[in-house]
Amino acid sequence: DAKTTQPTSMDCAEGRAANLPCNHSTISGNEYVYWYRQIHSQGPQYIIHGLKNNETNEMASLIITEDRKSSTLILPHATLRDTAVYYCIVRVHPGDDKIIFGKGTRLHILP
Amino acid sequence: DAGVTQSPTHLIKTRGQQVTLRCSPKSGHDTVSWYQQALGQGPQFIFQYYEEEERQRGNFPDRFSGHQFPNYSSELNVNALLLGDSALYLCASSLAWGQLAYEQYFGPGTRLTVT
Repeated sequence: DAKTTQPTSMDCAEGRAANLPCNHSTISGNEYVYWYRQIHSQGPQYIIHGLKNNETNEMASLIITEDRKSSTLILPHATLRDTAVYYCIVRVHPGDDKIIFGKGTRLHILP
Repeated sequence: DAGVTQSPTHLIKTRGQQVTLRCSPKSGHDTVSWYQQALGQGPQFIFQYYEEEERQRGNFPDRFSGHQFPNYSSELNVNALLLGDSALYLCASSLAWGQLAYEQYFGPGTRLTVT
């Protein structure tokens, strides 16, 4: 079973920041938080991951709370192409080879 | 640099038949994982192959089997197809780091419909 809880769906206006929350209250000390997204009819795409520090790359930022029980994925300037299902995953890195996906959050970017 | 490729794109089979799906990993990758994604659900891990052997397996029956070839490409075989096997089958490749797999890159999937 997935170890994370995410809202089923969210809307965000184009050009605004999209903030996607994730709860992972049972996360272990050696588990990382990963985010993937799946655009319609494509395979999942890796976005970002982190352990306890905030992380940023060219796609997004990941904010992890100090107690590590929740996190937020931030897409700073959402575009219509960011419409997708976003999966928050807890995973031992790099030891946990399999990825356990939940149902994710369906993000709709509105024009 | 070619990413993960899968064939065929779509496939229609009848109950009881057998099917073989194929996957070519991203250049430089040596580990292949297979996932099943039913409509409206997240992908479910089937198994992973490394050095031509099954290294991990999810909660899938023995009707699901696989193979990895010396060039790291892989096949997923499903026997005695059931209607419930209709799904998108995803292949993901990664580079092993010692005995552990690193980040996984997914292919576009094969859509299997069982009638």
